[in-house]
Amino acid sequence: DAKTTQPNSMESNEEEPVHLPCNHSTISGTDYIHWYRQLPSQGPEYVIHGLTSNVNNRMASLAIAEDRKSSTLILHRATLRDAAVYYCILSRSGGSNYKLTFGKGTLLTVNP
Amino acid sequence: DAGVTQSPTHLIKTRGQHVTLRCSPISGHKSVSWYQQVLGQGPQFIFQYYEKEERGRGNFPDRFSARQFPNYSSELNVNALLLGDSALYLCASSLIGPSGNTIYFGEGSWLTVV
Repeated sequence: DAKTTQPNSMESNEEEPVHLPCNHSTISGTDYIHWYRQLPSQGPEYVIHGLTSNVNNRMASLAIAEDRKSSTLILHRATLRDAAVYYCILSRSGGSNYKLTFGKGTLLTVNP
Repeated sequence: DAGVTQSPTHLIKTRGQHVTLRCSPISGHKSVSWYQQVLGQGPQFIFQYYEKEERGRGNFPDRFSARQFPNYSSELNVNALLLGDSALYLCASSLIGPSGNTIYFGEGSWLTVV
């Protein structure tokens, strides 16, 4: 599985934007970029995913570099409820054989 | 719509015992996966089942087994429990499709082995 690199931790203030970086220099053409987050004592929660183009949904935006070797998860206005571990994961598209390989993720702290 | 449901939510077992964890996927999802998460680490893949067949297995000993039923629910079984099996066990379900599958996780079953 292609590997991703994320900072161990980041800190933000409430109601400010947060940019969570992820490097994936060995990404292949068929790898999708997924972001999940895990709040304390809960299972991981899907945030967003994309292949080449930037993506937006109600939770966040995903900005993908033109060479696809890095991406950034953008939370437009952080709230205290966004404090979680954020995982950037690469996964192959299609097929019935499917798994996610989690790293240690980025622990996001949101200050009031 | 109900999400992925798991049972039990918490349980305590003694070394050497056996445990069965259960999972009901989101309605319409035919793929179920199991992950183990020990404290301070990200989830680690154990098994994936699709249409009642095992489609993937992680690096876990044979003491770990699973199965998927005709209604797509699933069980994870662990035999001869060790202290190191203490962890959060996560079940996830997904639709299988060509455009980057999204996995939805349950809240997990907390297993403590004493």
